[in-house]
Amino acid sequence: TQLLEQSPQFLSIQEGENLTVYCNSSSVFSSLQWYRQEPGEGPVLLVTVVTGGEVKKLKRLTFQFGDARKDSSLHITAAQTGDTGLYLCAGVSYTGFQKLVFGTGTRLLVSP
Amino acid sequence: NAGVTQTPKFQVLKTGQSMTLQCAQDMNHEYMSWYRQDPGMGLRLIHYSVGAGITDQGEVPNGYNVSRSTTEDFPLRLLSAAPSQTSVYFCASGSPETQYFGPGTRLLVL
Repeated sequence: TQLLEQSPQFLSIQEGENLTVYCNSSSVFSSLQWYRQEPGEGPVLLVTVVTGGEVKKLKRLTFQFGDARKDSSLHITAAQTGDTGLYLCAGVSYTGFQKLVFGTGTRLLVSP
Repeated sequence: NAGVTQTPKFQVLKTGQSMTLQCAQDMNHEYMSWYRQDPGMGLRLIHYSVGAGITDQGEVPNGYNVSRSTTEDFPLRLLSAAPSQTSVYFCASGSPETQYFGPGTRLLVL
């Protein structure tokens, strides 16, 4: 079983602060995705990264895929209260190419 | 487009009862999947399908059955519910790399 470990598990910050969430594994992934989930709803895809070293930006969110394709990070600049939610990383491995493996999640609370 | 729909939204079962969680999508996706979400454990893949008539097991398939007779529908059956199956169940469609999730079914097994 490929494990994706996220850190931190919980993050509480003030509006305007920056933060980084990490997603790490000992396995190599062909692609890695980041989802955001709000209470009572299903996860919503934010981004997919497929190339080692790839960096993608989505407004104030910056996603990076590690060179070795084993890890990823999500950086949020100037967090807003609307960024509050559960952030999940997920990966498709070469051995389980049709199966998506999820990390345990990072719960972010942004206070005004 | 309605996207991915799931019914029911909430269900209470007694141990040993059976039930079917319904999932439908109107995006003509071949790939569909079922996950369960438990506190502190993220989402875990139960079963998935790559097209009508083709299904396979995920990470936690025991106690669950699936079938895929049409592209649109992918029901999940619990044959004999157990308290360990208390969870939130999500259905998704799309591809392994890009999945669209339904709103979930919250299941409580007493």
